[in-house]
Amino acid sequence: AQSVTQLDSQVPVFEEAPVELRCNYSSSVSVYLFWYVQYPNQGLQLLLKYLSGSTLVESINGFEAEFNKSQTSFHLRKPSVHISDTAEYFCAVSVRSGNKLTFGGGTRVLVKP
Amino acid sequence: GAVVSQHPSWVICKSGTSVKIECRSLDFQATTMFWYRQFPKQSLMLMATSNEGSKATYEQGVEKDKFLINHASLTLSTLTVTSAHPEDSSFYICSGSAGGSYNEQFFGPGTRLTVL
Repeated sequence: AQSVTQLDSQVPVFEEAPVELRCNYSSSVSVYLFWYVQYPNQGLQLLLKYLSGSTLVESINGFEAEFNKSQTSFHLRKPSVHISDTAEYFCAVSVRSGNKLTFGGGTRVLVKP
Repeated sequence: GAVVSQHPSWVICKSGTSVKIECRSLDFQATTMFWYRQFPKQSLMLMATSNEGSKATYEQGVEKDKFLINHASLTLSTLTVTSAHPEDSSFYICSGSAGGSYNEQFFGPGTRLTVL
């Protein structure tokens, strides 16, 4: 079975400051890794994913995440946040042979002006 | 990306009644649909996985007789909460997958259920 741990349940950050959301996973088999964003009272939107290849993946809105196999981590970063980045962020994994997603507990990012 | 809709977006019902939530894939054929439950300020918990034309596979601890899932077509799945009680109040989110290289799931906007 897989598990995902998001170490920070809440991250307050000032506008234009950098932010890092930590995600560690546990799995005995190879996995795909995902970050999703959820705005209030909405469903999830895929932010970025790691399937294979380059360990650094980027999204169109300035987020990036790096897959670190030795540390079983997939931390999410943004060098300069905006007010509109206020949301809940979920890290998730799925095994390569399956189709189920296992989610972490989520990290609530609150961007302050 | 692919679009998934849910209806209704929110519903309030009396204890003991049944509520049906629809999940539709609007521009793709969802061979597999997933139903999740999310409590306030918590993560998503997978309730069940359904493949079109087959019985749903429920996760451990989820009552299949209480949460009835139907996936009658490649674009529609329904979740019926039978004899709802206040503890069933939650945010229910569905997702659809067309398969593919990594079985990407596309999520609906969610349905907030409040049982009085």
